[in-house]
Amino acid sequence: DAGVTQSPTHLIKTRGQQVTLRCSPKSGHDTVSWYQQALGQGPQFIFQYYEEEERQRGNFPDRFSGHQFPNYSSELNVNALLLGDSALYLCASSLMRGVLRGAEAFFGQGTRLTVV
Amino acid sequence: EDKVVQSPLSLVVHEGDTVTLNCSYEVTNFRSLLWYKQEKKAPTFLFMLTSSGIEKKSGRLSSILDKKELFSILNITATQTGDSAIYLCAVITYGGATNKLIFGTGTLLAVQP
Repeated sequence: DAGVTQSPTHLIKTRGQQVTLRCSPKSGHDTVSWYQQALGQGPQFIFQYYEEEERQRGNFPDRFSGHQFPNYSSELNVNALLLGDSALYLCASSLMRGVLRGAEAFFGQGTRLTVV
Repeated sequence: EDKVVQSPLSLVVHEGDTVTLNCSYEVTNFRSLLWYKQEKKAPTFLFMLTSSGIEKKSGRLSSILDKKELFSILNITATQTGDSAIYLCAVITYGGATNKLIFGTGTLLAVQP
């Protein structure tokens, strides 16, 4: 049983460019959340997707957008990249019924994005 | 604003020592508190705590939650070099239609041989 998988593992982009990160949730999971983890910081919640809709969003600008597909996989898009967007981007998957009762989420290995 | 604070930020100990990591929180609509271990990239789940005073234990690791004083501790006894990692505390809060995780900054633990 594959866990949460993310691609690519590493990425280098130039300021102003756009990037798309991908996440496949753990088998059977229907909810995907995205987090940004800057160096030396804990992960910060970006948004959560369920039933192909954004259900909740953290304090991130509109440059950060996402999508969830019918097979529950998800994409995170970041436009007009800034140097400050350099971070580890983590995807977490869970079951919505577990989310609602406060159950744990399972994380992927993350995508290390470097903006130069 | 919801926040989770961990202390200490970093810790260096020797193998065999016992360590206690702290996590305090101020959030609205608390659901549960989670501990994760992050070695390289993916945080791996350790414990979920929802009730006060009930210790969760797994091998040399244990954790307890105090919902009155709004904190949790993670204890590691007889530490080993493989325990070296960042330990993250996260609180699940209810916000509108769903829940989300709010993380602390983490505690970087280094166990020296």
